[in-house]
Amino acid sequence: GDSVTQMEGPVTLSEEAFLTINCTYTATGYPSLFWYVQYPGEGLQLLLKATKADDKGSNKGFEATYRKETTSFHLEKGSVQVSDSAVYFCALSGTASKLTFGTGTRLQVTL
Amino acid sequence: DAMVIQNPRYQVTQFGKPVTLSCSQTLNHNVMYWYQQKSSQAPKLLFHYYDKDFNNEADTPDNFQSRRPNTSFCFLDIRSPGLGDAAMYLCATSRVASGSTDTQYFGPGTRLTVL
Repeated sequence: GDSVTQMEGPVTLSEEAFLTINCTYTATGYPSLFWYVQYPGEGLQLLLKATKADDKGSNKGFEATYRKETTSFHLEKGSVQVSDSAVYFCALSGTASKLTFGTGTRLQVTL
Repeated sequence: DAMVIQNPRYQVTQFGKPVTLSCSQTLNHNVMYWYQQKSSQAPKLLFHYYDKDFNNEADTPDNFQSRRPNTSFCFLDIRSPGLGDAAMYLCATSRVASGSTDTQYFGPGTRLTVL
């Protein structure tokens, strides 16, 4: 079945550092890939998505590229801020639009 | 703004006392989902409605039921909450379950405490 593996956290960075959160997937067919962000006590917000190979999703300085050859969708940001502290979920959508989530990566950004 | 709304944000119930969580949407989406998220875990899909068609996940306990009286509203009923049902419950919607490109939009969640 479909599965998503993302790096374990927590990830602790200083403000303005470069961020990478790794995400790889296993799926049949051609899934869409998503990154969701969850701030403390809140629901999930869509951060970005990509629907086909080589697509790059981007939003609020975050980027991720759909790499079919490596089955990856790594999240990157060039300069993180304290306000980016949250839990980040990688997810894929296969048949019937069901989302399969990774386990989440907690990011903590310090001054 | 169009959105997914969940009420209440925090719900406290007693062990074994039925509780209902509600979700409404102004997106006019066909599909509505309920997820359970326990602390430090990924959301787990309980069931979803595609219009009026109910789709239960195989491992969702019978204790959990759902109703969708119209396009805008969907309810999660927990018939006899146990301590293990304490969690954040997330409602989500998507336009049409016609393929993998659909985005799911989430509400803010209801945090359920069972005493």
